[in-house]
This record gives sequence, C-alpha cells and structure tokens, in this order.
Amino acid sequence: EVQLVESGGGLVKPGGSLRLSCVASGFNFSSYSMNWVRQAPGKGLEWVSSMSSSGRYIYYADSLKGRFTISRDNAKNSLYLQMNSLRVEDTAVYYCARTYFCDSWGRGTLVTVSS
Amino acid sequence: EIVMTQSPATLSVSPGERATLSCRASQSVGNILAWFQQKPGQAPRLLMYGVSVRATGIPARFSGSGSGTEFTLTISSLQSEDFAVYFCQQYNNWPLTFGGGTKVEIK
Repeated sequence: EVQLVESGGGLVKPGGSLRLSCVASGFNFSSYSMNWVRQAPGKGLEWVSSMSSSGRYIYYADSLKGRFTISRDNAKNSLYLQMNSLRVEDTAVYYCARTYFCDSWGRGTLVTVSS
Repeated sequence: EIVMTQSPATLSVSPGERATLSCRASQSVGNILAWFQQKPGQAPRLLMYGVSVRATGIPARFSGSGSGTEFTLTISSLQSEDFAVYFCQQYNNWPLTFGGGTKVEIK
C-alpha cells in the first residue's frame, strides 16, 4: 500500500522558517517524481513545487519567488520542503503527492503563519 | 500559466441523478488532465488521469471526456458518497495548475 506521511508543520511567525518532510512507503520512491501541493483554509488546491525521480529536474510556482526549496533523499524515501521568509498567506495544509498527476496523497501537515 | 476554469462552482443534484462537471483550459493541454475528489477534512483523491483513465478502485459511474481545452467529468448516478468537491488539474505544462473546484451538493 502506498503511504505518504507529512510532518514538520506548525505555528511560525511571519519571516520565520519551517522544514516539511514527507516519508514514503509501499512503492519504489526513487522511481517517482514528487510534488508539494498546498491548500489554504477553505480554498482550492495550489501547486507548490515538483521534483523528478532523480532530483535532476525541479519546478516551483512563480509566486514563491525563491523562498521555498524542494529536495529529496531517495535513500531515506523522503521528500522535503524548506520554507523561508514565511508570510501569512503561506498558511495552508501542505500535501505531498506522487507523480505529476498526483496519484497518491498524504494527509497533509498544517502550516500556520501568524504573529 | 495555463488557467483552469471549472463550472459550475456548485452543482445541486439528487441521489441517483447524473452530474456533469466542466473544466476549461486557457490553452490546449492535449489529453494531459486529471480529476480529483475531495471530502471535508480529507486529502484529495485521484479519480481520472489522461482525461479518461480511471484510477485504481474508482467505480465505473465516473467517466471523463474531452481534449484540448474542454473537459467533462460525468458521474452517471450519484451515490451518497459522491457528494464532495471536485478539482481538475493540467499536468501538460509548468506550472501545474488546478481548477477552482466544483462542489457537488445534495439537492
């Protein structure tokens, strides 16, 4: 069974940083591209970033303007999102999802940016 | 950026009736389109990819059609568990983009 488990969310002040993690199991992690997708409270889905299976290709939403960094460790079956200079508008549930058409999702981790 | 527009925003349907949801892309995405279902408090679930390929475990009452810029998700006979929000997503071009969603509610 494919499982994706996110962690690392929490309450942070504007300008702060967080590092999200997603641990994968039940499939060959190193063979799949991975994504971060977020959902602000009561809103729709917003793609954040994607990384190819090898890590060679990386894509970001333009709105992030270099504040977020995606990475992965295939030996640890893990995907990461380093988030810096956080803003109130970054408040959302952050999901990791497998493949570019998001065939499996984790339950998400809530990031709240507030003073 | 390809803008995905879903309509209607809310669809009121009686159980057992057919529901037809629309998704329009601002430029062609070929057949590189997915549909998701999301229930309150849950993560999205993939329903369809490649426009019309049902994901594992998705019942046959769900079907997808279209190509280029116009797409449709049809639920042939709504069951109680189908009342949810549905999103389309194009994965043909970067950035990946989602539609704003259609809420299917009980009439």
